[in-house]
Amino acid sequence: GAGVSQSPRYKVAKRGQDVALRCDPISGHVSLFWYQQALGQGPEFLTYFQNEAQLDKSGLPSDRFFAERPEGSVSTLKIQRTQQEDSAVYLCASSLVLVNNEQFFGPGTRLTVL
Amino acid sequence: AQKVTQAQTEISVVEKEDVTLDCVYETRDTTYYLFWYKQPPSGELVFLIRRNSFDEQNEISGRYSWNFQKSTSSFNFTITASQVVDSAVYFCALSDAGGGADGLTFGKGTHLIIQP
Repeated sequence: GAGVSQSPRYKVAKRGQDVALRCDPISGHVSLFWYQQALGQGPEFLTYFQNEAQLDKSGLPSDRFFAERPEGSVSTLKIQRTQQEDSAVYLCASSLVLVNNEQFFGPGTRLTVL
Repeated sequence: AQKVTQAQTEISVVEKEDVTLDCVYETRDTTYYLFWYKQPPSGELVFLIRRNSFDEQNEISGRYSWNFQKSTSSFNFTITASQVVDSAVYFCALSDAGGGADGLTFGKGTHLIIQP
């Protein structure tokens, strides 16, 4: 069966550009998470969706970061006016139910801001 | 606030040696979940185990075993008879019991190198 997919796998942006990162979770998974992983660090939580509702966005580092999941399946993480410190791997994960189930991770999108 | 500490940044052993990866956590919650994930060079995090705070039994899965000690807030991971394919970055993670709405809190990871 298909796992979590993310696109693009690699993105190079000039500082100040807007970018959009896509996540396709496993079909039927209720929960969707976004994480940011800087080089040599562990993933850090950004935001969480339960179906189409964004229940927690406490990890978003600034108001330049915006995430949506309008139909409760595919999600997009948008970063406006990218800065060099936004360079990282952005990981998406999904899980079947709400309560602390195993999260299945996608391969990530590596964003490099020049 | 939750915190996960993996003090070992990098470990290098020769194939067939046993190796233990340490994980120490902090949380104010009485109910919580602990996880281990493996991140091979391809980058995709692979789930290894989930353990809830009420289950302190050690677990063994093939060459992998986990030792959960609530008294010391530790959840260590041992690989027996290591193999080159075990080379990866391993992350310990923690979440509370609030429906997972806060996501996982990860440690910084331990880079395990298994030399042939």
